[in-house]
Amino acid sequence: QKEVEQDPGPLSVPEGAIVSLNCTYSNSAFQYFMWYRQYSRKGPELLMYTYSSGNKEDGRFTAQVDKSSKYISLFIRDSQPSDSATYLCAMSAIGQGAQKLVFGQGTRLTINP
Amino acid sequence: DAGVTQSPTHLIKTRGQQVTLRCSPISGHKSVSWYQQVLGQGPQFIFQYYEKEERGRGNFPDRFSARQFPNYSSELNVNALLLGDSALYLCASSRTAASYNEQFFGPGTRLTVL
Repeated sequence: QKEVEQDPGPLSVPEGAIVSLNCTYSNSAFQYFMWYRQYSRKGPELLMYTYSSGNKEDGRFTAQVDKSSKYISLFIRDSQPSDSATYLCAMSAIGQGAQKLVFGQGTRLTINP
Repeated sequence: DAGVTQSPTHLIKTRGQQVTLRCSPISGHKSVSWYQQVLGQGPQFIFQYYEKEERGRGNFPDRFSARQFPNYSSELNVNALLLGDSALYLCASSRTAASYNEQFFGPGTRLTVL
């Protein structure tokens, strides 16, 4: 079993829709949770960063972490065609000796005009 | 400010050859990590270097090695290339080695092994 599971999609929604992306994980030591956006043939771009459980909002993006369920989510409101990309969840633990990010497989998202 | 830079952008090698990839972190960042991203998968952690010392290593064979220079730039070396080494190699920089520090990625080097 992978430490981080993410539905690879692909996910296709109309412009303006609310998008929900999710990851589950098995390692209870994970404390830091991130969402990266990766356009085709580019490096990942950090979108959201949260520590422990709770919500964080930044413009049209909201990240949620539920450590009791080992489940994290990213919501995109008023989705735009420019949001079309692969979204990667990533997480790291304290005290593991290295600044190691563990990624999900990535969900490919397409926003249709 | 410039982001993380990597060179070369693309590289084609044949099996058995050796390759060196380069990374320059964001100014002021002292930690560099390397990741391998195979097509259709998330990045996999290879190495982390901080202040020129190896801080962590992922589940990769000894054919993979790296180093960090006094200016915090880094090189990743892969010897005896295999077809399975074909991937996007990503470098990420962070202000320090602490787990809570955000990591910022470069555009990657796409390696093709024939």
